[in-house]
Amino acid sequence: GNSVTQMEGPVTLSEEAFLTINCTYTATGYPSLFWYVQYPGEGLQLLLKATKADDKGSNKGFEATYRKETTSFHLEKGSVQVSDSAVYFCARSTSGTYKYIFGTGTRLKVLA
Amino acid sequence: DVKVTQSSRYLVKRTGEKVFLECVQDMDHENMFWYRQDPGLGLRLIYFSYDVKMKEKGDIPEGYSVSREKKERFSLILESASTNQTSMYLCASSLGLAGQQETQYFGPGTRLLVL
Repeated sequence: GNSVTQMEGPVTLSEEAFLTINCTYTATGYPSLFWYVQYPGEGLQLLLKATKADDKGSNKGFEATYRKETTSFHLEKGSVQVSDSAVYFCARSTSGTYKYIFGTGTRLKVLA
Repeated sequence: DVKVTQSSRYLVKRTGEKVFLECVQDMDHENMFWYRQDPGLGLRLIYFSYDVKMKEKGDIPEGYSVSREKKERFSLILESASTNQTSMYLCASSLGLAGQQETQYFGPGTRLLVL
């Protein structure tokens, strides 16, 4: 079936540490892949996306590469800040359909 | 920038009440969505609309209905609220269904408590 699996949280890091949040997907077809971020008390904001294999999405220092061979879309940032503390959601779609499949979210806490 | 607004940030209702959640987008998007978000379950799609007066059930439509009388507005209706509908409700919209047009943009959410 179609699913998105994210690493369980919370992930707790010190400021300026390196961040990786793992995301793997299963799908038929060729999905687009997304990372959304949800700050406390707010809705989801699109962080980055990739629409085909080997694409790299990037925004605000975050990056993720669409790896078809490993069906992964891991989120990385070289140096996190306290303001990056939020919940991060990985999601996939399939062109031609309306459905997104979301992961369960990974809470990131960055300590000063 | 796409702007998706929701009528309330917080709502408290009693069991059995009829509840309306309103969502408005200002970018002439074709598609609008209602999700609920619960801890450990992520986001689950309740209903989807791809045009005025058109709707499709999502994964968990039971206990909900929707209305889309105008392109920019998509309403979620709880006909008779129950405590298991206490949740965060998120509205989203997208321009189309393929490629760049499929990106969904979210509103700030409505946190509903049913007592």
